[in-house]
Amino acid sequence: SQKIEQNSEALNIQEGKTATLTCNYTNYSPAYLQWYRQDPGRGPVFLLLIRENEKEKRKERLKVTFDTTLKQSLFHITASQPADSATYLCALEWNNQGGKLIFGQGTELSVKP
Amino acid sequence: DTAVSQTPKYLVTQMGNDKSIKCEQNLGHDTMYWYKQDSKKFLKIMFSYNNKELIINETVPNRFSPKSPDKAHLNLHINSLELGDSAVYFCASSQVRGNTIYFGEGSWLTVV
Repeated sequence: SQKIEQNSEALNIQEGKTATLTCNYTNYSPAYLQWYRQDPGRGPVFLLLIRENEKEKRKERLKVTFDTTLKQSLFHITASQPADSATYLCALEWNNQGGKLIFGQGTELSVKP
Repeated sequence: DTAVSQTPKYLVTQMGNDKSIKCEQNLGHDTMYWYKQDSKKFLKIMFSYNNKELIINETVPNRFSPKSPDKAHLNLHINSLELGDSAVYFCASSQVRGNTIYFGEGSWLTVV
C-alpha cells in the first residue's frame, strides 16, 4: 500500500531564512500532491496543489517541487516569518483510490525571530 | 460566513454513550468528508459522500455511522463510545472528489 513520510522532527529556523520541508512517498506516483497548513486547534488549510506532470508550483513566498523519479516533494517557504510557524501536511491522491486524499503525519515548523 | 462549520467544538462524554457531530458547508460543494486526527496528529479519512451518496467507507467500526440528509450536510453518529474514540474529528468538503479540501475547525471528542 502507498506510504507517505514527512520529517517527524520539528524544523527550527531563523526568521528570514528559507524553510524546506520534505514529503516522500512509496510505490507509484500520485495523480497530484497537495500541501496544507495546520495551526494548533484549527483545521488544515489548503496551500498549494501540484500535478504529476508539473515540476514546480509557486505562490507568493511558497514553492513546491515534485520529483516523480525521487518520489519526493519539497515545500519551500522563502523569507520565513514567525507567522509561518505551524504544522505543514502533505497529502496525495492516487488514480485508483476513488478520490481519497492520504495525508502525511506533518512537519512542525518553528520560525524564531 | 463560515465555509465548513461543525458542532459541537468540544464534547466530553462517558464510555458507552451515543453522540453526534453535525456538519454543514455553504460552499455549494458536492463532496463531503469526515476525517479523524489522533493524538499523533495523523489525519485519516473515515467517510466520503458525493451528493448524498456514500463513496468512501474506510475501515471504521460500524459504531460510526455517517448520515447525509442533503449535499450541504454530513453528520456523524457514534454509538457505544469507547476510550479509543477520543480524537479530533474534522468535517470537510470539496467541489469534486479529491480536489482541494476545505476543512472545518474540528470537534474535540474526549471519552472518559
